[in-house]
Amino acid sequence: QITLKESGPTLVKPTQTLTLTCTFSGFSLTSSGVGVGWIRQPPGKALEYLAYIYGNDDKRYSPSLKSRLTINKDTSKNQVVLTMTNIDPVDTATYYCAHSLFNSGWYFDYWGQGTLVTVSA
Amino acid sequence: DIQLTQSPSFLSASVGDRVTITCRTSQGISSFLAWYQQKPGKAPKLLIYGASTLQSGVPSRFSGSGSGTEFTLTISSLQPEDFAVYYCQQLNGYPLFTFGPGTKVDIK
Repeated sequence: QITLKESGPTLVKPTQTLTLTCTFSGFSLTSSGVGVGWIRQPPGKALEYLAYIYGNDDKRYSPSLKSRLTINKDTSKNQVVLTMTNIDPVDTATYYCAHSLFNSGWYFDYWGQGTLVTVSA
Repeated sequence: DIQLTQSPSFLSASVGDRVTITCRTSQGISSFLAWYQQKPGKAPKLLIYGASTLQSGVPSRFSGSGSGTEFTLTISSLQPEDFAVYYCQQLNGYPLFTFGPGTKVDIK
């Protein structure tokens, strides 16, 4: 059974760096045919793709946020870590991580429950 | 960059109604499109991928069609548990994984 769970701070001050961890089970992030993505959703707004990491360590970023994002994986801990620099109140959102497979077209078939991050002084 | 639009952005319907939501992309993406359902306070749930393939466990009243730049999600007979927000997502244009703005399906 595949599960994912996001963790990190609930409150962050502007200009700080946000670090979020996605801890997963039920799959291994070691092959090119599997990947984990990060998606966020500001309150009352739409989903926004942030970053993606393939099992072969290839990485993709949203062009609009690329300069602020870094995604990495720790296969020994079954974790994917997303860092976002220079946080701003507009980054207040629920942050999700999600699993995808080449065999199912890379769509996000399993999602974490999400973690709400509030950016405020 | 590829852009996704959804129409309508909001629709009000009754239980038993047939509901259709459209997603359009600014460039052709073949059939690399998915539909997600999101209920309040919950993570999105994958309904359809590859434009028309039903994800395992999803009721057959949900169906998807289209290719290229225009896609539709149809709910053949709306049920009380289907009131939610629906998002399309593309995986063939740049940037990958782009989501549409969403369509809220509300109770009439």
